[in-house]
Amino acid sequence: KNEVEQSPQNLTAQEGEFITINCSYSVGISALHWLQQHPGGGIVSLFMLSSGKKKHGRLIATINIQEKHSSLHITASHPRDSAVYICAVPLYGGSQGNLIFGKGTKLSVKP
Amino acid sequence: GAGVSQSPSNKVTEKGKDVELRCDPISGHTALYWYRQRLGQGLEFLIYFQGNSAPDKSGLPSDRFSAERTGESVSTLTIQRTQQEDSAVYLCASSSSHLISYEQYFGPGTRLTVT
Repeated sequence: KNEVEQSPQNLTAQEGEFITINCSYSVGISALHWLQQHPGGGIVSLFMLSSGKKKHGRLIATINIQEKHSSLHITASHPRDSAVYICAVPLYGGSQGNLIFGKGTKLSVKP
Repeated sequence: GAGVSQSPSNKVTEKGKDVELRCDPISGHTALYWYRQRLGQGLEFLIYFQGNSAPDKSGLPSDRFSAERTGESVSTLTIQRTQQEDSAVYLCASSSSHLISYEQYFGPGTRLTVT
């Protein structure tokens, strides 16, 4: 079974700062998810990626399949980016099936 | 198009009562997942349906929990004889089985409070 570790657990930044959140996993996969959970509890899928890099607005996700590591970057952070960011991978590896989740990184961006 | 919907959005029930939670996946999505998040804790997998295959029930915490899915549509998660530790947000997600897209789309969740 896969295991997921995220770091840092908590992150406080000033508006405009560049943010990096890291995720490592133990079993080979071909798809990794980054999710965002707002204070109200709703979850939104930000990225699903299997190689290289994806960019959406100020968010960039990268993955290194060989090193079993992914990063989520936020450029020019804004208070509305404050949320919990969660990394998730297939529990048994591969690309599909039920996910196992990291414990999340709670990001707080101060104005 | 419509996303994943769940009902009810909030449910308060007395200990010992049965509850049913509903999930309507995105049309055409063959895979459906149930997860839960207890207060202050991370998301945990409960059960996974993929098409007509036998569901993966390995995450169900006890035999009080069961889930059904009719074809590739609605799913119902049933919790019998609810306990206070069942209080959590129950999330449903669906995904396409298309070769290049396994991205899971999450519903808004049902907040269950057992008093």
